[in-house]
Amino acid sequence: GQQVMQIPQYQHVQEGEDFTTYCNSSTTLSNIQWYKQRPGGHPVFLIQLVKSGEVKKQKRLTFQFGEAKKNSSLHITATQTTDVGTYFCAGGTSYGKLTFGQGTILTVHP
Amino acid sequence: DAGVTQSPTHLIKTRGQQVTLRCSPKSGHDTVSWYQQALGQGPQFIFQYYEEEERQRGNFPDRFSGHQFPNYSSELNVNALLLGDSALYLCASSRDGSNSPLHFGNGTRLTVT
Repeated sequence: GQQVMQIPQYQHVQEGEDFTTYCNSSTTLSNIQWYKQRPGGHPVFLIQLVKSGEVKKQKRLTFQFGEAKKNSSLHITATQTTDVGTYFCAGGTSYGKLTFGQGTILTVHP
Repeated sequence: DAGVTQSPTHLIKTRGQQVTLRCSPKSGHDTVSWYQQALGQGPQFIFQYYEEEERQRGNFPDRFSGHQFPNYSSELNVNALLLGDSALYLCASSRDGSNSPLHFGNGTRLTVT
């Protein structure tokens, strides 16, 4: 079955440093979505990418979808303590099913 | 505008028992997906309901079943509980069953002893 892998599993940064998490799918995706889950909370939707090579920005966050639509990345510039949480990518293939990666846990030291 | 609501928030059951979890989708959403999230893991897809029918199913045994009602709310039933079923169960709603963004509820924390 479809697998979605994320690396790294953990990332510890100093406030102000950049952060990147990578997502790879075993199959070609129709779309990829990114979610953030704060400790003790539930996943919250961040963004959806649909087109090959697509790049989207949300303030300090930059999301990319690979040309082959099998990989994606999330980059945060100048991290802040409010960025703490687990970032999940979720790949969509067959209609309506999203497969989540195992997430990258980000900690930010002030 | 209420978001996705789940009940109960916490539940403790004994091995072999049965459990029913409930979910009301966000207003305007007609599709409900259920996920199981073990500690430190990503959400694992259980199944999705649209127009009162199970449309997609993940790799979960038949002990996991569900239902969607005409008002789009949904139930997740788990029979013959195992210790390994202990997890956070997340309900997510979306619009028209396509790969539209998921809106998650706060989840039900199930502990099986």
